[in-house]
Amino acid sequence: GAVVSQHPSRVICKSGTSVKIECRSLDFQATTMFWYRQFPKQSLMLMATSNEGSKATYEQGVEKDKFLINHASLTLSTLTVTSAHPEDSSFYICSARDPGLAGGPGPDTQYFGPGTRLTVL
Amino acid sequence: KQEVTQIPAALSVPEGENLVLNCSFTDSAIYNLQWFRQDPGKGLTSLLLIQSSQREQTSGRLNASLDKSSGRSTLYIAASQPGDSATYLCAVTSNDYKLSFGAGTTVTVRA
Repeated sequence: GAVVSQHPSRVICKSGTSVKIECRSLDFQATTMFWYRQFPKQSLMLMATSNEGSKATYEQGVEKDKFLINHASLTLSTLTVTSAHPEDSSFYICSARDPGLAGGPGPDTQYFGPGTRLTVL
Repeated sequence: KQEVTQIPAALSVPEGENLVLNCSFTDSAIYNLQWFRQDPGKGLTSLLLIQSSQREQTSGRLNASLDKSSGRSTLYIAASQPGDSATYLCAVTSNDYKLSFGAGTTVTVRA
């Protein structure tokens, strides 16, 4: 199956700093990527949809100036948590949409990265 | 807005028993439904994907059914093993390709 990587896998930072998380699709081109966050013992919540070459679409309640998303190429999307605070500590996971080949047998599928654990002190 | 519910929230069984995990969703206009496994502190492992036109999918000891009209899916795990202990997440893909996740069922298989 397709592979999605995330970097870093774990980051610890001081309050007030900014943290950038990268999401890469390694063997396919992803016109759309999604960013989720997961608090302990809770499920994943969609934060935003990232489209290559255009502005991200944020879900209700997600601050777009806090969570900056850039999808500069078909294989890379970045999430920057600006002026991070302890309440931003969470597990951030990205997914990349592989639409499959037109007319081919493959279904439109999302592939998930391994996640990034952010701890803000 | 799509709401996904998973019952039970937690399940503990002795090794060898069959597992039944339930998922329900409120909007039947879905693109597909996926079952994932998540180990503590880790990412997601996709187990089964059922397209909206399908009624079930099978992989080894795992079988998932989908009844789109009633908004339900069930994941069956046969002959459970301690290695099956994990949290199982159900996720529904809407026609805009956004996923809505359930809160998960945490499974413990006792040796």
